Amino acid sequence: DAKTTQPPSMDCAEGRAANLPCNHSTISGNEYVYWYRQIHSQGPQYIIHGLKNNETNEMASLIITEDRKSSTLILPHATLRDTAVYYCIVKGNTDKLIFGTGTRLQVFP
Amino acid sequence: GAVVSQHPSRVICKSGTSVKIECRSLDFQATTMFWYRQFPKQSLMLMATSNEGSKATYEQGVEKDKFLINHASLTLSTLTVTSAHPEDSSFYICSARDGQGSTDTQYFGPGTRLTVL
Repeated sequence: DAKTTQPPSMDCAEGRAANLPCNHSTISGNEYVYWYRQIHSQGPQYIIHGLKNNETNEMASLIITEDRKSSTLILPHATLRDTAVYYCIVKGNTDKLIFGTGTRLQVFP
Repeated sequence: GAVVSQHPSRVICKSGTSVKIECRSLDFQATTMFWYRQFPKQSLMLMATSNEGSKATYEQGVEKDKFLINHASLTLSTLTVTSAHPEDSSFYICSARDGQGSTDTQYFGPGTRLTVL
């Protein structure tokens, strides 16, 4: 699996957009970018995934650069409940999900 | 949709006993389920891949005789921690792969916190 690099922590004011970056410079052509988050003492929650086009759902938007070497997860209006560890994972279609250390996002009032 | 449940959510047991954890996909069939373990302040570590009707595939360093996995149906996988010891205390999380559509997505259960006294 391609390795990803994420900042260990970020802060965001409530109501503002949270932009979480992820570098995956060794991503292969058939590998997807997945985002999950884990709120304290809960199982990870699926957020969104994409291959090369930008994606949007009710939770977030995923922006993937044209060369696919990096991506950004955008939470358009962060709330206190969005405080969690966010994991960016790159994997092929039927590969295992291997978690890195993620980004700890703290949303403050 | 895509809900995964685990039971129990929390268990405390004495050293030497065995503990069984159930993982169910409630609204989809999962030919593949995964078991993870998470220690405090650490990331999730994949333990094994569970395929319906066949033997589980364990990650390197995970003892298959200690962590017994059974995937008897398309909606149920169980993890049994045999002869549990205090060092087995951890947060155990399962996930189920929903293979519908063009890509597969894994959905996670809420986790089971095991404390071995």
